[in-house]
Amino acid sequence: ELVLTQSPATLSLSPGERATLSCRASQTVTSFFAWYQQKPGQAPRLLMYDISNRATGIPPRFRGSGSGTDFTLTISSLEPEDFAVYYCQQSTAFGGGTKVEIK
Amino acid sequence: EVHLLESGGGLVQPGGSLRLSCEASGFTFNNYAMSWVRQAPGKGLEWVAGISGSGSRRYYADSVKGRFTISRDNSKNMLFLQMNSLRAEDTAIYYCARDIEMVHDSWGRGNVVTVSS
Repeated sequence: ELVLTQSPATLSLSPGERATLSCRASQTVTSFFAWYQQKPGQAPRLLMYDISNRATGIPPRFRGSGSGTDFTLTISSLEPEDFAVYYCQQSTAFGGGTKVEIK
Repeated sequence: EVHLLESGGGLVQPGGSLRLSCEASGFTFNNYAMSWVRQAPGKGLEWVAGISGSGSRRYYADSVKGRFTISRDNSKNMLFLQMNSLRAEDTAIYYCARDIEMVHDSWGRGNVVTVSS
């Protein structure tokens, strides 16, 4: 069974700073790796698919990278609307989430 | 525009049953697999069940296997989740989601299910 471990659990940053979120898989992931953003009281929204492809309407400050068992979501310069919880996902497994909060 | 609208949630006693529905619009429904994903209060996301576009293949998380049944009516653009033998740990917001190769590219707003006596 695939397990996805996200770190850190919480990231405290200021607007304009760079955010780096990590997701580690318990076994090699070969396809269909995704990231989602969820704001309070809202449904999750697809951000990235196939590791590095941005979903429709996602701005270029979001970048996905990685391979094998280690994956990263980078937000190059945080905007106020980016403070949210981010989840990685592959197949039926979700990571536990990283909360990006305002410092 | 893709639109997914869940309904059917509510308060139910342990051991009881509920049937969730998800009305889909804005896309050719039978071309897409669909999933149910849930989120317990203050917790992360958990995939619950999935179904192929034709309805011929169904998949379940171990936590709900034997208790929940996913189904669809492609003539009415509807997705369903029949939940039996409900437990307190099934309390969650239940989202329906459209799938492309197990990537959930569109989500409904969610429906709350509370299992409590």
